[in-house]
Order: sequence, then structure tokens, then C-alpha cells
Amino acid sequence: AQTVTQSQPEMSVQEAETVTLSCTYDTSESNYYLFWYKQPPSRQMILVIRQEAYKQQNATENRFSVNFQKAAKSFSLKISDSQLGDTAMYFCAFLRGGATNKLIFGTGTLLAVQP
Amino acid sequence: EPEVTQTPSHQVTQMGQEVILRCVPISNHLYFYWYRQILGQKVEFLVSFYNNEISEKSEIFDDQFSVERPDGSNFTLKIRSTKLEDSAMYFCASSGRIDRLQYFGPGTRLLVL
Repeated sequence: AQTVTQSQPEMSVQEAETVTLSCTYDTSESNYYLFWYKQPPSRQMILVIRQEAYKQQNATENRFSVNFQKAAKSFSLKISDSQLGDTAMYFCAFLRGGATNKLIFGTGTLLAVQP
Repeated sequence: EPEVTQTPSHQVTQMGQEVILRCVPISNHLYFYWYRQILGQKVEFLVSFYNNEISEKSEIFDDQFSVERPDGSNFTLKIRSTKLEDSAMYFCASSGRIDRLQYFGPGTRLLVL
């Protein structure tokens, strides 16, 4: 069974600084997708970034980028130039390729951006 | 930009009562999902729905739960006889045929007393 582990329950960063959130996963599959979702205090789930396992290039979306290490089964999220609005819970999620559409979430990292 | 909507945003109910949570997925999406998040815990998959039938469900999704697409736009989750432990945030999501991206609605916060 696939599992997703986020080992940092809470993190803090100063505004304008860079922070990296860790995520590791366990799977025997070769075809899968990885996601980072953001959940602000409103509790809405917002997609931040996606990575397909077959792509070697790390995904980037503006200030958000990932470091995807397939052999190590690691998928970290880097937030550059942190803003107060980045304060949220961040969830790493795994989706196996093929017929299933079941997203498997990690336990989340609560990020606080300090002014 | 198209988005998934959910109603109501909050619902309070008495234990044993039936509740129906409603979702309007993105209009051209074909796959629909329900997830739940108990306060302070991670998001858990409940069920996926495609072509008017359940395609996958978790152990949580027992006989107390059912889903339906009653018309061309709505997607509902019914809990027949609510329990205290059903108190959670329930998220609806949808995705397209090719793109595996799941777009989430804002959630319904259910409180069972």
C-alpha cells in the first residue's frame, strides 16, 4: 500500500525568506503523480503544484518549486519569497497511475509566515 | 475560472438523522469524489464516481453512506443515520477525463450532536 509521510508537523519562516517542506512516499509503482495542496484557515483545499513521476524536470509554479528525487522517493516543496498569505497547512498527496483516482494524503505541515 | 461548489457550508444535525451534502462539480468533468477531514487529521478518501456508478470506495464508506448524481449537475453524499464520529469537513472534488488533477470544493463542515 502507498503511504505519504510528512515529518515536519509545524514550520515557521520569516516573510521574504525561503522555506522547504519535506515529503516522502512509499510505493512500488513506477507510474504515479505527486501533488502539494495548500489549506489556509478557511480550510479550502487549493492545488499548489503537481509532478508526474515520468518527468525528470522539477515542476515550478511562480514562487513554488519542487525537488523530486524519484530514487529516494522524496518530494519536497520550496517556497521562495514567503508571503503572509502563504500561512496555511500544506499537504503532500500521491496518486497512483492507472484506473484509480484515490488521492493519498500525508498528515500535513502547518507553515506560519512571520512578519 | 470554473470551480467546484458545495452546499451547505455548515450543517449541524442530531445523531441518527440523515444528512445530504451537495456538490456541483466543474461542468465538463467526468470523475467525482468525496473526501473527509476530521478536525486536526489528514484528508481521507471516501469514494469516487464515474459514469453513474461508484468506481472505488474506502473502508470508511460503509452502508451508511451513498452517493448519487440526480441530474446533470449535482453530486450528492448522503449519510443515512449520522454518528458523532461523522463530524468532519467533507470535500467534494472533480477531475477531467485526461487530466488527473482533482479540484476541490470549499467543503461542508458537518457537526453531529
